[in-house]
Amino acid sequence: GAGVSQSPSNKVTEKGKDVELRCDPISGHTALYWYRQRLGQGLEFLIYFQGNSAPDKSGLPSDRFSAERTGESVSTLTIQRTQQEDSAVYLCASSLRGEVAGGRYNEQFFGPGTRLTVL
Amino acid sequence: AQSVAQPEDQVNVAEGNPLTVKCTYSVSGNPYLFWYVQYPNRGLQFLLKYITGDNLVKGSYGFEAEFNKSQTSFHLKKPSALVSDSALYFCAVRSTGGGNKLTFGTGTQLKVEL
Repeated sequence: GAGVSQSPSNKVTEKGKDVELRCDPISGHTALYWYRQRLGQGLEFLIYFQGNSAPDKSGLPSDRFSAERTGESVSTLTIQRTQQEDSAVYLCASSLRGEVAGGRYNEQFFGPGTRLTVL
Repeated sequence: AQSVAQPEDQVNVAEGNPLTVKCTYSVSGNPYLFWYVQYPNRGLQFLLKYITGDNLVKGSYGFEAEFNKSQTSFHLKKPSALVSDSALYFCAVRSTGGGNKLTFGTGTQLKVEL
């Protein structure tokens, strides 16, 4: 089936505005992850969903960042009052299940990302 | 806290020659290790993983990686590089001690030239 999709692919916004980034995981994947990739840096973990709950949101950099997931499917990452340092590529990933079961780890499949530019 | 180091920002190799992209890690407990590749304007693609078992792991596109516990390394290798292998490669680790997030290295740009 289709892979992980994200929208928009590019978003340019002005400092202080709010933005919403969307992720559609692979059908049947109960685990969903958001990461941020700043220019020249590795990926930073932001938040992890198992179903509609978020057992690990330790990577959210400030209270301006929030995320939700509904129907164990689509997730939205919201950044309020954007700052220039928020400029990055935001990547979403999904997997069959986040927890390791019976020694099996379900690898994460990544979407193409949303490139956010804050002017 | 877990961490991953990729000491080389860029690796250049001639087509047909073997390639190595280095990765070392730091994690409490036994690590789960991964390599991902990122082509321009595309999402990360999974290459291979080490969970347990044989230290030499084979993955997609002819790539392999060797887990070395004593050196805490997980270097990516390919016997004969192709120009089409040119991309950004990320090493990542997930701690088995709990949590499901991946911690990534900063990436190594591989350039394979004719």
